[in-house]
Amino acid sequence: EAGVTQSPTHLIKTRGQQATLRCSPISGHTSVYWYQQALGLGLQFLLWYDEGEERNRGNFPPRFSGRQFPNYSSELNVNALELEDSALYLCASSWGTGPPTYGYTFGSGTRLTVV
Amino acid sequence: AQTVTQSQPEMSVQEAETVTLSCTYDTSENNYYLFWYKQPPSRQMILVIRQEAYKQQNATENRFSVNFQKAAKSFSLKISDSQLGDTAMYFCAPRGFNKFYFGSGTKLNVKP
Repeated sequence: EAGVTQSPTHLIKTRGQQATLRCSPISGHTSVYWYQQALGLGLQFLLWYDEGEERNRGNFPPRFSGRQFPNYSSELNVNALELEDSALYLCASSWGTGPPTYGYTFGSGTRLTVV
Repeated sequence: AQTVTQSQPEMSVQEAETVTLSCTYDTSENNYYLFWYKQPPSRQMILVIRQEAYKQQNATENRFSVNFQKAAKSFSLKISDSQLGDTAMYFCAPRGFNKFYFGSGTKLNVKP
């Protein structure tokens, strides 16, 4: 069974540009979560999508946005990039809404560097 | 709001010894689970162990075990017979109803 896949592995952008990060969940998982992990820090919750809809959003500005496609894959878009957006962006998937029985399955992340 | 506190930013342990990583949390939810994840230098987050909050028995997974004190909202991870491959960041993560909260992590260095 394929795990959670993220692309690209690394991404270098210039300040002010837009970045698009992609995530494909494990087959059967309908929920996708995005986290930002700045260097040396913990995971900060960004966005949660389930069944194509945004279910919850972390404390991030509106220039962080995303969507979930009918096949449950997801995109994270970061507009007007700032230097402090440089971080590892982790995607995770799980079964849909329901009892918190299961943990997440994480992808390997996209390392975004803004120069 | 949920908070997760891992009070040990970094720890070291000699290979084959035992180490305990601490975690305290605060939650208003009644039905939740607790997880420990490890993140080695490869960046892949790996589930280490899971504990159901309604179970009094502490979870064990090979060399990994937890000490869950529900009333104290404490969820520590014990690693026995530490191995070099255990070197990683460890995150404590309570999961409520569709919400995951991660601590800031403890960096564990296993020394030969």
